[in-house]
Amino acid sequence: EDKVVQSPLSLVVHEGDTVTLNCSYEVTNFRSLLWYKQEKKAPTFLFMLTSSGIEKKSGRLSSILDKKELFSILNITATQTGDSAVYLCALTGTYKYIFGTGTRLKVLA
Amino acid sequence: DGGITQSPKYLFRKEGQNVTLSCEQNLNHDAMYWYRQDPGQGLRLIYYSQIVNDFQKGDIAEGYSVSREKKESFPLTVTSAQKNPTAFYLCASSIEVGRHGQPQHFGDGTRLSIL
Repeated sequence: EDKVVQSPLSLVVHEGDTVTLNCSYEVTNFRSLLWYKQEKKAPTFLFMLTSSGIEKKSGRLSSILDKKELFSILNITATQTGDSAVYLCALTGTYKYIFGTGTRLKVLA
Repeated sequence: DGGITQSPKYLFRKEGQNVTLSCEQNLNHDAMYWYRQDPGQGLRLIYYSQIVNDFQKGDIAEGYSVSREKKESFPLTVTSAQKNPTAFYLCASSIEVGRHGQPQHFGDGTRLSIL
């Protein structure tokens, strides 16, 4: 059965800290792994990963995929209060998107 | 601006009542989806549609129905058979149904509560 497991479920840090969010998966017919940020409403797209070992980077956020060990990490450096959100990992398998439960990140000023 | 519009933002349902949530997109996407999100849980797929006049059940389709008469529109009806409808409902679209792994675009959601 296809599944996505995210850890930790929640995390509280102080501004300036670096955080690492984890996403492990099992899927048949892997297409891509997606990261989204969800504040109050619509999840917004962050990264799409298809190949192992190639880091995707956007400002203070970066992500990498390991297709051999079946996991991905999302790093956020120098965290800010605006990074507080739920971060969702999703997998595209055969004609479906499978979502993890998300990691709730709270950044304290 | 291209995007997905969900309405209403908040909806209240009385016992025994059917309610319909609207989802419209102007992204020219073929595929559309409905998800339910409960506190502390991820997104669970209710229904999805790959093309006009075709749709498939997701993981939690019982108590819900959909139609796809136009490419732009994918309304979701929460029927009286859905005994626990209180949740946040998200509509999404993508170029195609996950075949090449392209990300989905999401609407702002509808929060449904029981009166």
